[in-house]
Amino acid sequence: DAGVTQSPTHLIKTRGQQVTLRCSPKSGHDTVSWYQQALGQGPQFIFQYYEEEERQRGNFPDRFSGHQFPNYSSELNVNALLLGDSALYLCASSLGGSPPYEQYFGPGTRLTVT
Amino acid sequence: AQSVTQLGSHVSVSEGALVLLRCNYSSSVPPYLFWYVQYPNQGLQLLLKYTSAATLVKGINGFEAEFKKSETSFHLTKPSAHMSDAAEYFCAVSQTGANSKLTFGKGITLSVRP
Repeated sequence: DAGVTQSPTHLIKTRGQQVTLRCSPKSGHDTVSWYQQALGQGPQFIFQYYEEEERQRGNFPDRFSGHQFPNYSSELNVNALLLGDSALYLCASSLGGSPPYEQYFGPGTRLTVT
Repeated sequence: AQSVTQLGSHVSVSEGALVLLRCNYSSSVPPYLFWYVQYPNQGLQLLLKYTSAATLVKGINGFEAEFKKSETSFHLTKPSAHMSDAAEYFCAVSQTGANSKLTFGKGITLSVRP
């Protein structure tokens, strides 16, 4: 049973560019959440997708957007990259209708903005 | 609103000694509580979770945690540390109901001395 997968593993971008990160949830899961983990910090919630809709959003600017596809996979898009966007981006999947919505995390995408 | 406080950023123990990692939470509604472990350059792995059943929760790798509502705490313990326990540990809280986002603490780095 494949767990949560993310691509790419590492990415280097320049300030002002745009980036797309991808996530495939654990088999059977229908909900995808995205988190940003800056160096030395705990993960911060960006947003969550369920049934192809954004269900919850954290305190992140509109430069951060996402999408969920009918097969439950998801993308995170970040526009107009800033140096401060350098972080590990984690995707987590869960079952949307089953408390406590236990979340399983992928290995992350390390984004470096220069 | 919900939040997590993990006191201290680094804990060092000798191999075979007791591990105690502290976590205090704040939540306006009954919470779900989680401990995750993160090894270098990896994603997060769930150690254990509290979901309003038994207050003493046993997890993987010999870890356990006790939910104490009166103290708003969910401290993580392990009777005997092993070298392989060296990692970053995160406490997280989510709310019951549909708002399932995880709010993480800043994390504690556990070092194990031989």
